[in-house]
Amino acid sequence: SQTIHQWPATLVQPVGSPLSLECTVEGTSNPNLYWYRQAAGRGLQLLFYSVGIGQISSEVPQNLSASRPQDRQFILSSKKLLLSDSGFYLCAWSVGQGGNTIYFGEGSWLTVV
Amino acid sequence: AQSVAQPEDQVNVAEGNPLTVKCTYSVSGNPYLFWYVQYPNRGLQFLLKYITGDNLVKGSYGFEAEFNKSQTSFHLKKPSALVSDSALYFCAVRDGTNAGKSTFGDGTTLTVKP
Repeated sequence: SQTIHQWPATLVQPVGSPLSLECTVEGTSNPNLYWYRQAAGRGLQLLFYSVGIGQISSEVPQNLSASRPQDRQFILSSKKLLLSDSGFYLCAWSVGQGGNTIYFGEGSWLTVV
Repeated sequence: AQSVAQPEDQVNVAEGNPLTVKCTYSVSGNPYLFWYVQYPNRGLQFLLKYITGDNLVKGSYGFEAEFNKSQTSFHLKKPSALVSDSALYFCAVRDGTNAGKSTFGDGTTLTVKP
């Protein structure tokens, strides 16, 4: 069966420091990978989307970047964090297109202080 | 463009009563519709989806949803609510041309009181 791992679970970082959140998927090949941000426990904002290694689509211009160095690995990064980067970050995966389900990791809480 | 609306921020029901969480959508093609549940400080869990076929879709934990094309709605329902159903519920929509990217609603908090 497929599983998704996301870490760290919680992170407190000072303003201006770098960020690296990692996500890996097991049990499937060539997944679509996503990074979402959820603010204040409400709606999800799609940040990045990837259909393959090195292929990243940025949905919202911002202080963050994403990379996919391996087929089942997706990394969210920042060189210098802003206070507004605080939130709950969710990695997710799906296979194919159309009606295939997106499955989520357990999330990472980022607090920028 | 695709969009989804969850008109109620909060739904309160008594345990044992039926529950409905509303969702309406807009897509340019045929819709793929999803419901997810989120418990505090957790990721989203998939409940059910509509792709094609029967308008009534059954999912996990006794939940079901009815697709209504004319009203562009996909309401989540359960005949008898449990206190443990209390959580944040998200509706999501995707059309077949959107390369796997879904749009999520803002969520509805369901509170089931004993």
